[in-house]
Amino acid sequence: GNSVTQMEGPVTLSEEAFLTINCTYTATGYPSLFWYVQYPGEGLQLLLKATKADDKGSNKGFEATYRKETTSFHLEKGSVQVSDSAVYFCALSDDYKLSFGAGTTVTVRA
Amino acid sequence: DAGVIQSPRHEVTEMGQEVTLRCKPISGHNSLFWYRQTMMRGLELLIYFNNNVPIDDSGMPEDRFSAKMPNASFSTLKIQPSEPRDSAVYFCASSFRDQETQYFGPGTRLLVL
Repeated sequence: GNSVTQMEGPVTLSEEAFLTINCTYTATGYPSLFWYVQYPGEGLQLLLKATKADDKGSNKGFEATYRKETTSFHLEKGSVQVSDSAVYFCALSDDYKLSFGAGTTVTVRA
Repeated sequence: DAGVIQSPRHEVTEMGQEVTLRCKPISGHNSLFWYRQTMMRGLELLIYFNNNVPIDDSGMPEDRFSAKMPNASFSTLKIQPSEPRDSAVYFCASSFRDQETQYFGPGTRLLVL
């Protein structure tokens, strides 16, 4: 079946540091890939998505590239802010079903 | 535009009581999802509705859980009787056309004592 594996946290960074969260997937076919973000006490928000191989999703300074050869969709941001502190979820879609990774908690210190 | 609306935001109840969670999807969306989030199991899909019809309820834990969608703008998730292991955050999400992009509500944090 489909599954998503993302790096375990928590991750603690200083402001303006570079952030990478690794995500790999197992799937039949070619699913769409997503990153969702959950801020404390809130629901999940779509951060970015990519629907086919070599697509790059980007939003709010975050980027992720759909790599079919390595079955990966790593999330990156060049300079994080305190406001980026949240839990980040990698996910893939199989028709209507989203399969989520376990989530990575990121804390950015001023 | 209003997002997905859930109520209540917090619910504390005692074991054995009935709990009803409510969701109003984004207007025009024709797909609705209920999820449960726990530390141990992460995010789990409980049930999926399309055009108000339950399509996949394979994630509903047991008969104590039931969900309805009487119209396009309202859905409920009911637990009867509730148990302490039902304590979790329950999310509702909706989508339209491109069913892959789901929009989540703020969640209901349920605590069963």
